[in-house]
Amino acid sequence: DVQLTQSPTTLSASVGDRVTITCRASQGINAWLAWYQQKPGRAPKLLIYMASLLESGVPSGFSGSGSGTEFTLTISSLQPDDFATYYCQQYNEYPWTFGQGTKVEIK
Amino acid sequence: QVHLQESGPGLVKPSGTLSLTCTVSGVSITSYYWNWVRQPPGQGLEWMGFILNPGKTNYNPSLKGRVSISADTSKNQFTLNLTSVTAADTAVYYCAKSRAYGGDSDYWGQGILVTVSS
Repeated sequence: DVQLTQSPTTLSASVGDRVTITCRASQGINAWLAWYQQKPGRAPKLLIYMASLLESGVPSGFSGSGSGTEFTLTISSLQPDDFATYYCQQYNEYPWTFGQGTKVEIK
Repeated sequence: QVHLQESGPGLVKPSGTLSLTCTVSGVSITSYYWNWVRQPPGQGLEWMGFILNPGKTNYNPSLKGRVSISADTSKNQFTLNLTSVTAADTAVYYCAKSRAYGGDSDYWGQGILVTVSS
């Protein structure tokens, strides 16, 4: 299986901060990577697909980059609604796998 | 608009079978990939498998052959069956739609908590 390792596991930040989350794959996955946001008690919400494409309706402050084994999710200016847990997911090969999650907390 | 809704028992006995149905509206399940994803309390997400109609399935080997996904296209529903459940199968179960090429899930159900307990 492709292992996805996210860093950091927890991130403390303030409103207005620029935030970067990294997702490293145990083997190359081309650009077959998605990012999700999940709030407590809610289903995940797709933010980014194919590593860098912004899902319709997602604020432009979110961006994704990377290919191969290293990927990043960047929030350009953290908003109050952005405090949540973020997951990466690879779909280059079966089984599709998720990272362990990164919780973005209020500093 | 696309809407997914999980339904089924919230409590299943150990060694029993967990069965959940996802009812889809706004799009036909004859297209796209239809997934089940679960999340144990306080933990991360685990992809369980998908069905791509007609009849193509793929399952996570971590479930050791206990999982099956089927579809009723006349009702626009797909169903998860997980056999020989234990307390480790206690989780929120989500159904989710992936795009035509598979992978990223653009629509999700609200999730249903299933507890395995006697």
